[in-house]
Amino acid sequence: DTGVSQNPRHKITKRGQNVTFRCDPISEHNRLYWYRQTLGQGPEFLTYFQNEAQLEKSRLLSDRFSAERPKGSFSTLEIQRTEQGDSAMYLCASSLGRGAGVAEKLFFGSGTQLSVL
Amino acid sequence: GQQLNQSPQSMFIQEGEDVSMNCTSSSIFNTWLWYKQEPGEGPVLLIALYKAGELTSNGRLTAQFGITRKDSFLNISASIPSDVGIYFCAGLGQRDTNAGKSTFGDGTTLTVKP
Repeated sequence: DTGVSQNPRHKITKRGQNVTFRCDPISEHNRLYWYRQTLGQGPEFLTYFQNEAQLEKSRLLSDRFSAERPKGSFSTLEIQRTEQGDSAMYLCASSLGRGAGVAEKLFFGSGTQLSVL
Repeated sequence: GQQLNQSPQSMFIQEGEDVSMNCTSSSIFNTWLWYKQEPGEGPVLLIALYKAGELTSNGRLTAQFGITRKDSFLNISASIPSDVGIYFCAGLGQRDTNAGKSTFGDGTTLTVKP
């Protein structure tokens, strides 16, 4: 299966610890997105990359959050000094990103469920 | 910011019944998307709508882009147990240039009793 892969699937951490999640997009996809989803809500856009360039960040992405996509392939999302309010599902999605604009189709991973105790 | 209101919040139906759900917004959207999310998985795109009044089908699913451009509807005919999941609408406003920046609704949870 060559879909979007996210690791780990689940992460439990203590408040104040740092955590890092990884996303491997579909291999030929240039765009990669990160979202946060809490229970009972839809995904909320956090940031996205076109190849290795981080093109946009949401106001939801506080200074404690950082995302990278160093070689334009996989991406990591790090949360420093985690807080209980960071508990959520973190979803990654990828798309071809070759000018399709509003018509581009996103493929989501299964997410990383973060619980901050 | 833009907000989408989905209704109903949840539905419990019998297998074989038809289902209707809708999504409304106070602002105009140029694109409407409908996704399904199953437990422990990410959303999967079902239908995309790009023009006001557009009616598009995908198997037993039919979605419509409202004439006012402030709403969209999803219908599922002859429901089956595997239709269970959360259905999200997502919209793209006039300033959004790619589907990845969609605003999502809070979902309609569908339960189908065999």
